[in-house]
Amino acid sequence: DIQMTQSPSSLSASVGDRVTITCRASQSISSYLNWYQQKPGKAPNLLIYGASSLQSGVPSRFSGSGSGTDFTLTISSLQPEDFATYYCQQSYSAPLYTFGQGTKLEI
Amino acid sequence: EVQLVESGGGLVQPGGSLRLSCAASGFDFSSYEMNWVRQAPGKGLEWISYSSSSGITIYYADSVKGRFTISRDNAKNSLYLQMNSLRAEDTAVYYCARPQAGYSGYDYWGQGTLVTVSS
Repeated sequence: DIQMTQSPSSLSASVGDRVTITCRASQSISSYLNWYQQKPGKAPNLLIYGASSLQSGVPSRFSGSGSGTDFTLTISSLQPEDFATYYCQQSYSAPLYTFGQGTKLEI
Repeated sequence: EVQLVESGGGLVQPGGSLRLSCAASGFDFSSYEMNWVRQAPGKGLEWISYSSSSGITIYYADSVKGRFTISRDNAKNSLYLQMNSLRAEDTAVYYCARPQAGYSGYDYWGQGTLVTVSS
């Protein structure tokens, strides 16, 4: 099974900050990496797919990069509504997708 | 508008059974693979089961294999999860999720249904 490891597990930041979250795969997954945002009591929302493609309707302050085993999600200028938990997900071993453990972004 | 609506959650005793449903609308359900994903309280997301569009090809996470059964009724635009031999560690919010084309993640999720396994 492919294991996904995110860092950090939690992160404190302020409105306007640039933030980067990292995800590492236990083996190469090419660019089959997706990022989600989840707010309390809500279902996850797809932000980035294919490592760097912005899902329709997602603000351009979100961006993703990486390939192989190392990936990053960057929020260029944090907005109040961005404080949430973020998950990476590999889709290389489709349909057995696996998630990272999550990164909680706090004020 | 694409909608996924789960139902069937509730409180069940250890060893008991429960059947979850996911009602789909706004898209051609019979053409899409579907998945169940769960989230234990305060924990991360765990993929647990997959169904091909026809229901013929099915996969399970090791944590539920042999106890849970995924099925679908394309005529009723519905996905199901039969959960047997439930354990305390199965307590979670259960989501159905639709994958988008090209191994590009899940673009639509239901609102989730809470399953609590406790005596």
